[in-house]
Amino acid sequence: DVQMTQSPSSLSASVGDRVTITCRASQDIWKYLHWYQQKPGHAPNLLIYAASNLQSGVPSRFSGSGSGTDFTLTVSSLQPEDFATYYCQQTYSDRTFGQGTKVEIK
Amino acid sequence: QVQLVQSGAEVEKPGASVKVPCKASGYTFINYDINWVRQATGQGPEWMGWMNPSSGDTGYAQKFQGRVTMTRDTSTTTAYMELSSLTSEDTAIYYCARSGFGANSWFDYWGQGTLVTVSS
Repeated sequence: DVQMTQSPSSLSASVGDRVTITCRASQDIWKYLHWYQQKPGHAPNLLIYAASNLQSGVPSRFSGSGSGTDFTLTVSSLQPEDFATYYCQQTYSDRTFGQGTKVEIK
Repeated sequence: QVQLVQSGAEVEKPGASVKVPCKASGYTFINYDINWVRQATGQGPEWMGWMNPSSGDTGYAQKFQGRVTMTRDTSTTTAYMELSSLTSEDTAIYYCARSGFGANSWFDYWGQGTLVTVSS
């Protein structure tokens, strides 16, 4: 099984901060890494697919990069609505989610 | 618009089975896979498996092999996930999610979730 490890597990940030979340796969997953945002009481929402492609309707302050085993989600300027939990997911072999990164208000 | 609509909540006793529906609309049902994901309170999402509505082919996470069955009714564009031999560990929100095929199978639309509670 492909294991996904996110870091950090939580972070505190202020509105306007640049935030970076990393995701590491236990084996090469090429570009098959996707990012989701989840707010309490809601289903996850797709932000980035195939490592670096912005899903339609998602603000351009979100971006993704990486390939192979190491990937990054960046929020260039954190907005109040971005405080949520973020998950990475691989679809190279079966599907596996990371354990999540909770972004909280400082 | 694409919608995946799920039932609200189910309560089952330990040892029983639950069958959760997911009604799809707004797109061609057979052109996308349906995945099932569960999430226990305070935990991350856990992928359970996928189903191809066109062929009926399925693929299940090893953890759920032998206990989960994913089916569909193309006449009503509804997918179903049945989980048997329930224990309290199965209490969670169960989501259906649409995806493409193979490795290009990110989940672009999700149902609102069905809370399954297992309690005696």
